[in-house]
Amino acid sequence: GQQLNQSPQSMFIQEGEDVSMNCTSSSIFNTWLWYKQDPGEGPVLLIALYKAGELTSNGRLTAQFGITRKDSFLNISASIPSDVGIYFCAGQLRSSASKIIFGSGTRLSIRP
Amino acid sequence: SQTIHQWPATLVQPVGSPLSLECTVEGTSNPNLYWYRQAAGRGLQLLFYSVGIGQISSEVPQNLSASRPQDRQFILSSKKLLLSDSGFYLCALGGRLTFANTEAFFGQGTRLTVV
Repeated sequence: GQQLNQSPQSMFIQEGEDVSMNCTSSSIFNTWLWYKQDPGEGPVLLIALYKAGELTSNGRLTAQFGITRKDSFLNISASIPSDVGIYFCAGQLRSSASKIIFGSGTRLSIRP
Repeated sequence: SQTIHQWPATLVQPVGSPLSLECTVEGTSNPNLYWYRQAAGRGLQLLFYSVGIGQISSEVPQNLSASRPQDRQFILSSKKLLLSDSGFYLCALGGRLTFANTEAFFGQGTRLTVV
């Protein structure tokens, strides 16, 4: 079935550093979504992308919808302790309009 | 604004017992609804999605089933739970499909432990 390959699986960085993670697929997506999940909670939407090439920011977060429609990245600038959590990419497939599938997540940990 | 109610928050059930998890939404009509399962430390696996009353699409063959008896109600069920059914179950609400605006918004989840 369709898969989203998300990397890295985990990151352990210094506070203040920039963070970058990405998702790729062999399938074409109409929408790319980025979520953050805190322990015991449901994922919360951070950024939604709707057009190939679109670059969108939300505070210190920036995400882009790849030109090929098969990839997306999320950058976090100047990381702070509250950025800790699991970040998921998700996408709505062009081939199956109602399905939203998720990557396996990137666990972000920060050294104070 | 759209809200999602999911209950219970936690559940401990013996193997072989039935299951019923309910999700209701407010502030929208004719939404897409989704059930995901998350194993500990893993990603979200799409189990079922529904584009309307009585319309269920199953993604993964298993001993779970879903039903949508009303526009804003989505139910996840099992007749006999297995140990492997343990996990964090999340209901999500998606906007009516257009080219844009198909984000999924999540409920708070149900942590199911089968013992």
